Amino acid sequence: DADVTQTPRNRITKTGKRIMLECSQTKGHDRMYWYRQDPGLGLRLIYYSFDVKDINKGEISDGYSVSRQAQAKFSLSLESAIPNQTALYFCATSARVGGTDTQYFGPGTRLTVL
Amino acid sequence: AQKITQTQPGMFVQEKEAVTLDCTYDTSDPSYGLFWYKQPSSGEMIFLIYQGSYDQQNATEGRYSLNFQKARKSANLVISASQLGDSAMYFCAMREGPNFGNEKLTFGTGTRLTIIP
Repeated sequence: DADVTQTPRNRITKTGKRIMLECSQTKGHDRMYWYRQDPGLGLRLIYYSFDVKDINKGEISDGYSVSRQAQAKFSLSLESAIPNQTALYFCATSARVGGTDTQYFGPGTRLTVL
Repeated sequence: AQKITQTQPGMFVQEKEAVTLDCTYDTSDPSYGLFWYKQPSSGEMIFLIYQGSYDQQNATEGRYSLNFQKARKSANLVISASQLGDSAMYFCAMREGPNFGNEKLTFGTGTRLTIIP
């Protein structure tokens, strides 16, 4: 079984709808992240969480919210989806490997907003 | 200014040849780390290798090595004896600041590597 899972893997929705993307991990890591990937722009950080009580905005948090329900679960919500939020969304966790914190990614959720 | 620059949008390499993927970075922080990730067509992001700014030696992981030239601010990924399964997008990323407790990674735009049989 995968260590970091994301549901759904693909989603098509309409403008104005509320969408939740879920992330679960079995790695036991405290730190979790949400990124989005757009063609030609690489990955950009949306939100990150160091533990259940600690949530921080990333580079592009506008239009998004998150919830850390437990150590193993970190959800990303789009309160009112818009077409330019069409992207590939990644959840990640991090652990200390080889002298630094290293991030490990889930398989991604492809979101299309019509 | 771009913090991470990958100037090769795409590369084609013959199987079994070595390949170098370029990455230059920009930071004024003396403490930083550089990462390479692989993204196959299936979409997942796979961690490959890490180099810290204070590391004296270039990082190696199996067929992957990182050619770290600090004065030139470059951190090129070298893949030796390329295989068909190496075909993927490759991303360079940087963490600015100390090794631990500093989570923000900045990613480059990626290089699409295609291995030709």
